Amino acid sequence: DAKTTQPNSMESNEEEPVHLPCNHSTISGTDYIHWYRQLPSQGPEYVIHGLTSNVNNRMASLAIAEDRKSSTLILHRATLRDAAVYYCILRGPLSTGGFKTIFGAGTRLFVKA
Amino acid sequence: ETGVTQSPTHLIKTRGQQVTLRCSSQSGHNTVSWYQQALGQGPQFIFQYYREEENGRGNFPPRFSGLQFPNYSSELNVNALELDDSALYLCASSSPIGQDYGYTFGSGTRLTVV
Repeated sequence: DAKTTQPNSMESNEEEPVHLPCNHSTISGTDYIHWYRQLPSQGPEYVIHGLTSNVNNRMASLAIAEDRKSSTLILHRATLRDAAVYYCILRGPLSTGGFKTIFGAGTRLFVKA
Repeated sequence: ETGVTQSPTHLIKTRGQQVTLRCSSQSGHNTVSWYQQALGQGPQFIFQYYREEENGRGNFPPRFSGLQFPNYSSELNVNALELDDSALYLCASSSPIGQDYGYTFGSGTRLTVV
């Protein structure tokens, strides 16, 4: 299974943008990049996903490197409610067992008021 | 639309006992996955069900088993509980099956084995 590497923790100031990096050097051409976040005492929450092109939604933006070996989740204006553990995962097609959705340890984001 | 509902929210069992955890998937979702999350770690994939059949399994022993029902709800059964089985058990649903769709997770069942 393709692995992802993320920093253990990051810190941001409230109202400032946050860029959360993820390395996935062994990504295959059919793997989608997904991001989830987990707030304390809750299950993970879907944030965004993409394949090759950058993606935007109401929660965040996803910037994918041209070689797809890394990606960055962008929170445009961090709020205290964004303090969570952020997981970057890869999901491949069923034929390669991609449905397993392997989670790493994630990045714990601290937001300072 | 309703989200994913798990029951019970908390549970205490004794080593060697059996436990059944339940999950109601989000309306319209036909795929259910189960995860085990130990304290301070990311979720670990247990197995996935699609149309009432298991179609993928992580590195968990056979004493972890499951079911999916025609209404797409699901159960996770764990036999011969061990102390290391203490964890948050998460259920996630999605539809349709495939890597281009996100999962909706429940809030989990906190299992403590004593």
